[in-house]
This record gives sequence, C-alpha cells and structure tokens, in this order.
Amino acid sequence: DAGITQSPRHKVTETGTPVTLRCHQTENHRYMYWYRQDPGHGLRLIHYSYGVKDTDKGEVSDGYSVSRSKTEDFLLTLESATSSQTSVYFCAISESKAGGPRDTQYFGPGTRLTVL
Amino acid sequence: QKEVEQDPGPLSVPEGAIVSLNCTYSNSAFQYFMWYRQYSRKGPELLMYTYSSGNKEDGRFTAQVDKSSKYISLFIRDSQPSDSATYLCAFTNYGGSQGNLIFGKGTKLSVKP
Repeated sequence: DAGITQSPRHKVTETGTPVTLRCHQTENHRYMYWYRQDPGHGLRLIHYSYGVKDTDKGEVSDGYSVSRSKTEDFLLTLESATSSQTSVYFCAISESKAGGPRDTQYFGPGTRLTVL
Repeated sequence: QKEVEQDPGPLSVPEGAIVSLNCTYSNSAFQYFMWYRQYSRKGPELLMYTYSSGNKEDGRFTAQVDKSSKYISLFIRDSQPSDSATYLCAFTNYGGSQGNLIFGKGTKLSVKP
C-alpha cells in the first residue's frame, strides 16, 4: 500500500458524535487526498492537501474538515457524524500534480465507517 | 451529460476469455487516462497509465484511448481468476483548475475457473 496507513480500519459510531480518521504516509509525498467510496457513486474527493497547512475542498466537502500539521499526517474530521456519512474512506498520496507518472495517486487500505 | 460513464457490470467471464472494459467521458480537456484495479476490501491500485490517444500494452493488459470519440478501453487477454476485481477508469486535466482525478464508478469483473 505504498507506505500509507489508515486508522482506524473500522469504526462504528452514533449520529451526532465527532469522528476523526487518520492517514499516515512514509513516502514524504506532497499531496494527500481523502475520498469516500459508495455504491452507485464511485470514488469522490472530499478534501485534499498540497502541503503542510495547505488544504482545499473537493467535490463532497460539506460536513467534513481536514488538517495537516505534518507532511506525513492528514486528518479527516466529521464534526457531527450523520448516517449519510456511512461509507468507506480512502486516503491517497501523490508526489506531484504536474501531470505525468508523478501524478499517480497511491491509495491506502481504507476505513469502513458506520454511523448509526 | 455525466462527466464520466462506466458500465458497473457485473461482468462474468470464463477463465481464458478476452475482457473489454470501457469508459466514456465528456470533458475534452482530459489528457491523462488511467485504469485502477480494486480488489475486494482493498484500496485501488494503478494498473495502466496513458497520455493522449493510442494504445499501451503491459503484459496481458492493453489500454486504448480514442480522444476523438472520448472513449477509453482496457483489454485483458487470457483472463485469470486473479483478475477478478473492480476496474475503475480515471481521468485528469493537467493544468485545470484543480487537476484532480475524476473516477468512473467501476466495473466489477468476475473470472470463473
């Protein structure tokens, strides 16, 4: 999994509780991404980061916030989880966004989140 | 019109068959075309990467891009049970406002022994 770990791997929580998912990389890649994957929707980008403390919104960012205080860690927070946020969450990293093979995204193993 | 369309399948074939997986797209600015393979309960992994139109071959896999028709294909020759996975097409717009990957919804392939 290209030096990417995600924690926790599985989580069950209740509506209204805060949840934080962690992505950790050992590749020293500049770009990190959070996606969610749902049946019928495929992979959708939530937020991404292009450096420490530099983040931007993706396609489905409502209800999510992110933080990146170190190159190797990218945190995704659901401030108040809802049942619609039940999903599989994937972190990805890439060396560059300049195009070409360096733009390749490598994915972590995923976190299965269930919000009851 | 959706930006990317991919038949979700499922697609079931016998071992040894030739498999054809396809995606269409509407954004003419896409320049990089990728296929990811995702095994059950795993993260996607890059399988093939092509730039612009043409064919690219890697072992049993051939990626084909037809920019004039906005159509990409992945062919798998002599398919094996280990090829059973979901295949995702992905596109990116180098130099675009975000340059992020846009994924198809994936086609689930099952290769029967």
